[in-house]
Amino acid sequence: EDQVTQSPEALRLQEGESSSLNCSYTVSGLRGLFWYRQDPGKGPEFLFTLYSAGEEKEKERLKATLTKKESFLHITAPKPEDSATYLCAVSSSNTGKLIFGQGTTLQVKP
Amino acid sequence: DTGVSQNPRHKITKRGQNVTFRCDPISEHNRLYWYRQTLGQGPEFLTYFQNEAQLEKSRLLSDRFSAERPKGSFSTLEIQRTEQGDSAMYLCASSLGQGAKGYTFGSGTRLTVV
Repeated sequence: EDQVTQSPEALRLQEGESSSLNCSYTVSGLRGLFWYRQDPGKGPEFLFTLYSAGEEKEKERLKATLTKKESFLHITAPKPEDSATYLCAVSSSNTGKLIFGQGTTLQVKP
Repeated sequence: DTGVSQNPRHKITKRGQNVTFRCDPISEHNRLYWYRQTLGQGPEFLTYFQNEAQLEKSRLLSDRFSAERPKGSFSTLEIQRTEQGDSAMYLCASSLGQGAKGYTFGSGTRLTVV
């Protein structure tokens, strides 16, 4: 069964303190791994799609990487506005749906 | 295009009542998905459509839940005989094909069953 596990569940950082979020996955035929940002009371906002091991993508202070078993979302010198829940999801070749992890809630203090 | 639109944004209903939510996807997207999200959890898949055909339903979806997508445009999600456990955020998403360029989510409908 396809499964996604994210760690840690919650992360508190000081502004400027870099860190990484982890997403471990088990999927039968990975079609894509997706990262989303979700603010309270809102729908998930698309960040990145990664398709194959070794692939990396960047957007402002965020960088996503992918291996055959996990993905990392690296946050460099975060700012308070980066505070949100970050969701990881996979799509398999067997189905068109996304399977989500439980998310990592990031709080960045000034 | 203004993205994926969901209505209403909030719904409070009494236990046992029926409720219906609407989702208007991005116009050129042929796939439409429904998810449910409870506090502190990631979105949980409910069902999805390709055009007007419902291709997959979660086995967690009870027979009180039904979804339609007439003419492959907007979609409705109906919950009959609501229970307190149905209280959640109901999210709709759409994609072009298999979502290579991402799945776009709406802002969701917050359901509270009292």
